[in-house]
Amino acid sequence: GQQVMQIPQYQHVQEGEDFTTYCNSSTTLSNIQWYKQRPGGHPVFLIQLVKSGEVKKQKRLTFQFGEAKKNSSLHITATQTTDVGTYFCVSWAGANNLFFGTGTRLTVIP
Amino acid sequence: EAGVAQSPRYKIIEKRQSVAFWCNPISGHATLYWYQQILGQGPKLLIQFQNNGVVDDSQLPKDRFSAERLKGVDSTLKIQPAKLEDSAVYLCASRKGRADTEAFFGQGTRLTVV
Repeated sequence: GQQVMQIPQYQHVQEGEDFTTYCNSSTTLSNIQWYKQRPGGHPVFLIQLVKSGEVKKQKRLTFQFGEAKKNSSLHITATQTTDVGTYFCVSWAGANNLFFGTGTRLTVIP
Repeated sequence: EAGVAQSPRYKIIEKRQSVAFWCNPISGHATLYWYQQILGQGPKLLIQFQNNGVVDDSQLPKDRFSAERLKGVDSTLKIQPAKLEDSAVYLCASRKGRADTEAFFGQGTRLTVV
């Protein structure tokens, strides 16, 4: 199956600090999606990246897709307590399957 | 628009018992997924349906797990017999048929096997 690794596995930040999670694949990805899962909740779609080198922003969140389409990153500026949760990158495989990365669990200390 | 509905929300069973989970996807969504999420891990795909056909069940432990989507709408996932390591949240997700659309997840069923 497709292997998508995320680093770090855990991240604790002080409220107001920045946060970045990285997603790396061993194979070229057709596209990549990012989901957020709050503690006790279910994954919720954030964004999809398709083009090589693509950068998308959502308020304090910046998403990037690598030039080789093998890696991606999510950067959060000035974290807030509402950012707490686990962030997953999700890749497509054959037949439109969705494979979740290992996830980065973000804790924001008030 | 109603979301993905799952039931029950919680289930506690003894090992070797049977259990079934139900999922009703968003209306018009042809693709339905079942995921298993063990505590502290990412969701692991168990099976994918396209309408009423199985597209991928390569990671489904077929000796004890089964799933069906007979009319191409709602779906059931069954475990028989359950093992302790099946304790997890079972998530159902649905998506329109196209590859470049987001998946919508249900609240999940938290299964505890004792």
